[in-house]
Amino acid sequence: GAGVSQSPRYKVTKRGQDVALRCDPISGHVSLYWYRQALGQGPEFLTYFNYEAQQDKSGLPNDRFSAERPEGSISTLTIQRTEQRDSAMYRCASSRWDGPSLSQETQYFGPGTRLLVL
Amino acid sequence: GEDVEQSLFLSVREGDSSVINCTYTDSSSTYLYWYKQEPGAGLQLLTYIFSNMDMKQDQRLTVLLNKKDKHLSLRIADTQTGDSAIYFCAETQLMDSSYKLIFGSGTRLLVRP
Repeated sequence: GAGVSQSPRYKVTKRGQDVALRCDPISGHVSLYWYRQALGQGPEFLTYFNYEAQQDKSGLPNDRFSAERPEGSISTLTIQRTEQRDSAMYRCASSRWDGPSLSQETQYFGPGTRLLVL
Repeated sequence: GEDVEQSLFLSVREGDSSVINCTYTDSSSTYLYWYKQEPGAGLQLLTYIFSNMDMKQDQRLTVLLNKKDKHLSLRIADTQTGDSAIYFCAETQLMDSSYKLIFGSGTRLLVRP
């Protein structure tokens, strides 16, 4: 695709509900990243994938958060039993980099999903 | 620790130059990035600089890097009202087979007509 797309763009949910956020990376991009951005802050890393493999999930705040990318393309970030403190902008990025190398590919971001937990 | 710092706010008059400053902590960052965030839009990559460079110019944008002081700046020449946005600098931290971006809190640039 032309760019990274995310859906939904806005999600309002009640505390205790589960939510699933979707990311569709740029076509051909191997690496996919999830970030979370609180109001007035910069994005913070959550997790990333190379192809379908989740390589690092050190940024996930707790076990209510999980992510998958089963076919190495679209990814879903799931938050179970949402809490008000989960309210934030969730951003997805993708890059071409597919392994260790001397070069470093740029991460391109989608428009984000704004999550509001009431 | 991971701490990228930026000033919170900058106001300039249209046509003047803007300089947004950033300090970072990870001296092993290979690339340093500037992203622009406009309301309702994603993070747009503006420019980046490789860590072995001192300066990079791209049309109205000039990036200066002082690696000794871990200081990065973004200069926008002839600032326009359309440049009003939040600007984030980001350092890179290497992970196993990839890297993550460590962002500052962003500098809100307001361009006055």
